[in-house]
Amino acid sequence: DAKTTQPTSMDCAEGRAANLPCNHSTISGNEYVYWYRQIHSQGPQYIIHGLKNNETNEMASLIITEDRKSSTLILPHATLRDTAVYYCIVRDYNNNDMRFGAGTRLTVKP
Amino acid sequence: EAQVTQNPRYLITVTGKKLTVTCSQNMNHEYMSWYRQDPGLGLRQIYYSMNVEVTDKGDVPEGYKVSRKEKRNFPLILESPSPNQTSLYFCASSDRNLNTEAFFGQGTRLTVV
Repeated sequence: DAKTTQPTSMDCAEGRAANLPCNHSTISGNEYVYWYRQIHSQGPQYIIHGLKNNETNEMASLIITEDRKSSTLILPHATLRDTAVYYCIVRDYNNNDMRFGAGTRLTVKP
Repeated sequence: EAQVTQNPRYLITVTGKKLTVTCSQNMNHEYMSWYRQDPGLGLRQIYYSMNVEVTDKGDVPEGYKVSRKEKRNFPLILESPSPNQTSLYFCASSDRNLNTEAFFGQGTRLTVV
């Protein structure tokens, strides 16, 4: 089973920030939180990852709570092309496995 | 350019006819894996490989075989395909360091009739 829980769907207005939450209450101390997205049926695309500190790159920001039991992916200025399914994944240190849950279907609206 | 290449992208075949989906990566990654994606079920891991000649079952290995004779290639073999193996398949590769991203191929859409 996936180690994460995400809302099934979210809407966001174009140009506004999209905040996608994820719960991972059973995460272990050396497991990373990864975010990927999938547009239509293309291969999952890497967005960002983190261990315990907040992270930012050219695509997004990742905010991880101090207890590491949840995180939020922030797309600062969502565009129509950000419409996709977003997956929050805890990466298993034993076998490098990434367990995909159902993800959040984000729809960016004009 | 770093990439994971799957072939073919689309395949229609008949029940029982053996087929192989190839996967190749150019990043010298140790770890490779195969997933299938079905509506409502998300991506589920079929097999993975931590290194050359080391493979292990994922969540849904039945009906599939893999091999890892060399680092860059990780083919998925369906010895006797059945209609319930109709799915979208993805290959992925990554370094063993958890602090680096995994790369996915563009997918292979398989239909077994």
